Amino acid sequence: KAGVTQTPRYLIKTRGQQVTLSCSPISGHRSVSWYQQTPGQGLQFLFEYFSETQRNKGNFPGRFSGRQFSNSRSEMNVSTLELGDSALYLCASSPSGGPTANEQFFGPGTRLTVL
Amino acid sequence: LAKTTQPISMDSYEGQEVNITCSHNNIATNDYITWYQQFPSQGPRFIIQGYKTKVTNEVASLFIPADRKSSTLSLPRVSLSDTAVYYCLVGLPMDSSYKLIFGSGTRLLVRP
Repeated sequence: KAGVTQTPRYLIKTRGQQVTLSCSPISGHRSVSWYQQTPGQGLQFLFEYFSETQRNKGNFPGRFSGRQFSNSRSEMNVSTLELGDSALYLCASSPSGGPTANEQFFGPGTRLTVL
Repeated sequence: LAKTTQPISMDSYEGQEVNITCSHNNIATNDYITWYQQFPSQGPRFIIQGYKTKVTNEVASLFIPADRKSSTLSLPRVSLSDTAVYYCLVGLPMDSSYKLIFGSGTRLLVRP
């Protein structure tokens, strides 16, 4: 069974631009969560989607948004990029329960650099 | 302020048992405590999950006291390949909302 895939793997943007990251969960998984990882702040939860609905969200500004499609694939968007948005963005999927109810399977991440 | 506390780093030798503790001042009633392992340039990988008392699988044990304000990940007989960063994950109620928190991570170095 294929694992969680994320595209693109690397991305370079400039301040003020917007970016869309994509995540394909493991087949049959309906919960998709997104995380930001930086050396200074560590792993931080962005949001979780289940059956195309946002079920839980972290404490990030509205510039960070996401969505989930009927096939469970998910995208996250960051608008008006800031230098501090440079990070590794990780996607994780699980069968149905949320991050604290089930084992999550993480993708390799998208490394975003904002110049 | 909702937070978790883990040791920043730990050193061990091959074959020893390693215990890593994660402390949190509160935890959502119905949530599990989960531990992940992360190698450089990879996403975290699930190790173990538990609700209370003790859970054991083929790679680790997890001890959770009755008050659920901490958990201890136990890695028996570590090897060089266990050198990684270990994170706890908990859900913490905060005011009228709920916050999903990863610990700051414990960097484990296993020496020959």
